[in-house]
Amino acid sequence: NAGVTQTPKFQVLKTGQSMTLQCAQDMNHEYMSWYRQDPGMGLRLIHYSVGAGITDQGEVPNGYNVSRSTTEDFPLRLLSAAPSQTSVYFCASRAVGGGGTQYFGPGTRLTVL
Amino acid sequence: EDKVVQSPLSLVVHEGDTVTLNCSYEVTNFRSLLWYKQEKKAPTFLFMLTSSGIEKKSGRLSSILDKKELFSILNITATQTGDSAVYLCAVESGGGADGLTFGKGTHLIIQP
Repeated sequence: NAGVTQTPKFQVLKTGQSMTLQCAQDMNHEYMSWYRQDPGMGLRLIHYSVGAGITDQGEVPNGYNVSRSTTEDFPLRLLSAAPSQTSVYFCASRAVGGGGTQYFGPGTRLTVL
Repeated sequence: EDKVVQSPLSLVVHEGDTVTLNCSYEVTNFRSLLWYKQEKKAPTFLFMLTSSGIEKKSGRLSSILDKKELFSILNITATQTGDSAVYLCAVESGGGADGLTFGKGTHLIIQP
């Protein structure tokens, strides 16, 4: 049972480059979210989706885009990377009626030079 | 804006000690409070609390919620070095974004 998977695990970008962080879940969860985690800041919500075709902004959405064309996949796109986006990114999913229990992916460590 | 505050931010104790971690919150339309343990990788789920005064217990860990005073505590008894981690508190609310609002975490270090 794969759960929530993320790729890549590590990535180094130069300022201005774009890239997509991949996230997939095989639990048929409706809700998926992207968080970033910075030292001393906890986890902050970037974007979330409550189902295929539906996305919305979280606390820190600027510089990121998402789409949800299928239930399984929820990619996060960095449009023009900036050093301030250096962080660890976690994707998470949960089921409707699953309470707040979210399942997290292993994370992507992104460095922007 | 939803807010979750954890204290202390860091704590160093000796093996065998008992620790209490605190989490206070201000959210609209509270649904649940969750505790996670994070050890250099993704957070792993510990407890979900929805009702006041009902203790959740798992081995040496326990947690309780006070919805009147808007806080929760996580207790760890007879601590072991494997308990060293960042403990995250998160609150789910109906006040906006579907995701959870996290506190900054308590970094717990257990010394042998």
